[in-house]
Amino acid sequence: GESVGLHLPTLSVQEGDNSIINCAYSNSASDYFIWYKQESGKGPQFIIDIRSNMDKRQGQRVTVLLNKTVKHLSLQIAATQPGDSAVYFCAENTGANSKLTFGKGITLSVRP
Amino acid sequence: GAVVSQHPSWVICKSGTSVKIECRSLDFQATTMFWYRQFPKQSLMLMATSNEGSKATYEQGVEKDKFLINHASLTLSTLTVTSAHPEDSSFYICSASYGWVTDTQYFGPGTRLTVL
Repeated sequence: GESVGLHLPTLSVQEGDNSIINCAYSNSASDYFIWYKQESGKGPQFIIDIRSNMDKRQGQRVTVLLNKTVKHLSLQIAATQPGDSAVYFCAENTGANSKLTFGKGITLSVRP
Repeated sequence: GAVVSQHPSWVICKSGTSVKIECRSLDFQATTMFWYRQFPKQSLMLMATSNEGSKATYEQGVEKDKFLINHASLTLSTLTVTSAHPEDSSFYICSASYGWVTDTQYFGPGTRLTVL
């Protein structure tokens, strides 16, 4: 069936380095993508989103890239900080039935 | 803006009892609310989608008589876990959107349910 998946279960980076978290999606009809950050014991927190008519969107220290050709989504975090340590989920929305499908999640660990 | 709260944040109950979880949008009117379930170290699984004043739409495999959802107003949705059993223990998270369902969902802090 259709699914959203992440390539790596964990990512460890040095404080101050840039982080790149990747996500593959399989539903070519998806037109809206979101990255969420979830800290332990808390609900997901919206980070950034992108619609399918764009290939790049920037926020504060974060950038999302969308490659529709290979159905790949990535989240780049600049100058990673200890507070960025969390589980990151990508999610897709097809727009048709309007539900979010979440990827499996990747744990980002920032080394001081 | 776009703050969603949940109450309680955690609850422990005996097997066979029912538990109600509230989800509120604090600073916006939520036309659509969603309920998710999350097991440890796993992703979020959508349980149901609810629109104010209408019946909830449940995902395949989710028992609607087990998980009762009421979306009585544009700022409040409730999830009642009826006759809870230990296997219902989980992290329940709601989200809300203030546009069409395709708009961004804002999540509550979650409710940890433990059934003894």
